[in-house]
Amino acid sequence: ETGVTQSPTHLIKTRGQQVTLRCSSQSGHNTVSWYQQALGQGPQFIFQYYREEENGRGNFPPRFSGLQFPNYSSELNVNALELDDSALYLCASSPTGKIEGYTFGSGTRLTVV
Amino acid sequence: AQSVAQPEDQVNVAEGNPLTVKCTYSVSGNPYLFWYVQYPNRGLQFLLKYITGDNLVKGSYGFEAEFNKSQTSFHLKKPSALVSDSALYFCAVRLLKAAGNKLTFGGGTRVLVKP
Repeated sequence: ETGVTQSPTHLIKTRGQQVTLRCSSQSGHNTVSWYQQALGQGPQFIFQYYREEENGRGNFPPRFSGLQFPNYSSELNVNALELDDSALYLCASSPTGKIEGYTFGSGTRLTVV
Repeated sequence: AQSVAQPEDQVNVAEGNPLTVKCTYSVSGNPYLFWYVQYPNRGLQFLLKYITGDNLVKGSYGFEAEFNKSQTSFHLKKPSALVSDSALYFCAVRLLKAAGNKLTFGGGTRVLVKP
């Protein structure tokens, strides 16, 4: 079975720009979560999507938004980038009803300059 | 609210010696508990979980963890550490009946195993 794949692996953006990060879920997983991991810190929950709708959100501003598609893949969009948005962004997928079954991708390293 | 504390930023151990990485949690309810490992420039790899049942949980790569409800702890252990165990370790908690799959992570503990 395939795992969770994220693209791109690295990205450099300028402050004020917008960015889109992509995630393909593991086969059979229909729930996708996004996490932000700043350097030297643990991952912080951004939001989760299930059946193409957001069904949980962490303490992140509205300029962080997402989409989930019918094939369960997902996008994370960040508008008006700030320097503090520089981080590793992790996508995690899980099957419905098996809460322990998280699988994380390798992440996208975003640098905002 | 839920939180996780990993009191040690770094743990140093000699190869072959026992390894312990500490984790305490705070939740208002019954928790799911997890340990993940992260290698440089990589995502998180699952090691083990506690959902219910036996307090001693065995996971991948020879790791185990003991759930202690009275001390609200979930320490990760390995009887004999390898140099290849050098990595960043994260403890995470999720409420049993919380909506969504939000995991709350600790700040991480860097493990350095010396030959």
